[in-house]
Amino acid sequence: GAGVSQSPRYKVAKRGQDVALRCDPISGHVSLFWYQQALGQGPEFLTYFQNEAQLDKSGLPSDRFFAERPEGSVSTLKIQRTQQEDSAVYLCASSLGFGRGSPEAFFGQGTRLTVV
Amino acid sequence: AQTVTQSQPEMSVQEAETVTLSCTYDTSENNYYLFWYKQPPSRQMILVIRQEAYKQQNATENRFSVNFQKAAKSFSLKISDSQLGDTAMYFCAFMRQNYGGATNKLIFGTGTLLAVQP
Repeated sequence: GAGVSQSPRYKVAKRGQDVALRCDPISGHVSLFWYQQALGQGPEFLTYFQNEAQLDKSGLPSDRFFAERPEGSVSTLKIQRTQQEDSAVYLCASSLGFGRGSPEAFFGQGTRLTVV
Repeated sequence: AQTVTQSQPEMSVQEAETVTLSCTYDTSENNYYLFWYKQPPSRQMILVIRQEAYKQQNATENRFSVNFQKAAKSFSLKISDSQLGDTAMYFCAFMRQNYGGATNKLIFGTGTLLAVQP
């Protein structure tokens, strides 16, 4: 596609509910990243995929967070048993990948998750 | 570990004037990239300008330019002829150079909210 697409743009979840956030990266981009952005803060790294392989999940805050990219394109970030502290904007970014040109990451518009 | 510091939470500038946003970072790496991203209310991060650490020449993109001081670990953004559409959060970000196995994730500062006044 023309850009990184994320859905839904807004999600309200009751505490304890499971949520799934979708990211559709730019076609042909090997690298895919998820970031969490709390209100008034800069984005913080969650996890990184190179094609379908999850090479780094060091930023995931707990085992309630799970991400996948089974076919090396669309990715889903799942949060189980949501808590209020999970409320944030979740940003997805993609880039060409190592050795393939510019390291620039292109971002989607994010999903704003509110846990009530 | 790398850190990025933006010490100006908010800045204001009159339309058509020039403003400089500050950023400092800390790293033991020698090869890396530095970026300035703009985030308007739509939330989408938009790349403003990029600097490779090995380049001594400061990057410029139209009205946007940087002052990159590698020894001082400083990377400021200058916006000339400010426009109302420049109103946004601006984030400074660091990325280590990828040698094939490492994660080339972005490390962001806390941002500076820039308001351009008419």
